[in-house]
Amino acid sequence: GDSVTQMEGPVTLSEEAFLTINCTYTATGYPSLFWYVQYPGEGLQLLLKATKADDKGSNKGFEATYRKETTSFHLEKGSVQVSDSAVYFCALSLPGRGGSQGNLIFGKGTKLSVKP
Amino acid sequence: DGGITQSPKYLFRKEGQNVTLSCEQNLNHDAMYWYRQDPGQGLRLIYYSQIVNDFQKGDIAEGYSVSREKKESFPLTVTSAQKNPTAFYLCASSAGTFSISSYEQYFGPGTRLTVT
Repeated sequence: GDSVTQMEGPVTLSEEAFLTINCTYTATGYPSLFWYVQYPGEGLQLLLKATKADDKGSNKGFEATYRKETTSFHLEKGSVQVSDSAVYFCALSLPGRGGSQGNLIFGKGTKLSVKP
Repeated sequence: DGGITQSPKYLFRKEGQNVTLSCEQNLNHDAMYWYRQDPGQGLRLIYYSQIVNDFQKGDIAEGYSVSREKKESFPLTVTSAQKNPTAFYLCASSAGTFSISSYEQYFGPGTRLTVT
């Protein structure tokens, strides 16, 4: 079945370090891919998205490129800040699934802690 | 401001009692979703609704019920049949199947339910 696999956390970095959170997916069709972020005690916020192969999503210094050949959508940021400490979720959505279009399949999340 | 509201933020109930969680959106979205979040398990889909007066079971619907009588409202009832109801519950909405941005889901702040 369709699934998303994220690297397990927690990930602990020092401020200004480079961040990579790996995400790979399994899907029978052509999914849209998303990264969501969850700050402590809050709901999820959409961070970035990509809807087709080779698209690059970017927002707030974060980037991810939709790689069809490696079925990956790794999240990167060049210089993290303490305020980036949160849980990051990779997700996919498959169109045309007969009534469940738009349903998201989430990875288990990766907790990031950034130390000053 | 447009968004999704969930109330209350914290909810405490005794075992054996039904409890209803509120979710309201003013984004004029057609589709709404309920997720359950447990530590280390990511998000799991409970119910979803693509249109008013229609809803579908997600992956873990047992012990839950929903209604969708109005476009803006999608309340979730956690019944006494749910064996392990203590969790963080998240409501989300999206524009719907026929929108070009239909697969972006917007989340509420969540309700933390504790049953003792």
